[in-house]
Amino acid sequence: DTEVTQTPKHLVMGMTNKKSLKCEQHMGHRAMYWYKQKAKKPPELMFVYSYEKLSINESVPSRFSPECPNSSLLNLHLHALQPEDSALYLCASSLLSGSGEQFFGPGTRLTVL
Amino acid sequence: KNEVEQSPQNLTAQEGEFITINCSYSVGISALHWLQQHPGGGIVSLFMLSSGKKKHGRLIATINIQEKHSSLHITASHPRDSAVYICAVRSQAGGGADGLTFGKGTHLIIQP
Repeated sequence: DTEVTQTPKHLVMGMTNKKSLKCEQHMGHRAMYWYKQKAKKPPELMFVYSYEKLSINESVPSRFSPECPNSSLLNLHLHALQPEDSALYLCASSLLSGSGEQFFGPGTRLTVL
Repeated sequence: KNEVEQSPQNLTAQEGEFITINCSYSVGISALHWLQQHPGGGIVSLFMLSSGKKKHGRLIATINIQEKHSSLHITASHPRDSAVYICAVRSQAGGGADGLTFGKGTHLIIQP
């Protein structure tokens, strides 16, 4: 199994909703990443987890809350988002943090109304 | 922070043409990635390079570490190659973000 899966594929939520994005990999990778990509822009790093511990938070607002419950799973909890948070949210993993090829998931297309 | 520049930003070519996309970066790196993204879709990793040249099917990627430059070539291009091609670098160890720094991408259209 050499893929990263993300659910849901699409998500529409109101500004008062609470929702979660899920990412899963079964390649034994110990580093997992969340990226945000706005239309026609390159991805921007949000969070890095290494061995299930948060190692990088790129000054992301607290309305985004990551969680890594085990080495295969990465969640992104969303609360009180703004319309400008609408974007494609990409998950990636690599064997180790700081090295190796990154494998990307298909992304979750988020729309905040 | 590494600055990653790609050229051209947009490229339209006819089927069968040889395609070259360029990437330059400002600071030493431990690895450079070429990625492909179809409209509305996720990202597929094409190559990861730290030196030399790699080939996979009709795709060839080269890197010149001294000149801080990489190229992605597509031979015998086909309409299904139409996508955004993104260069991304991982800076050498020494602090800063651990994820990739991305170029703005090259939007490639191959016309039949």
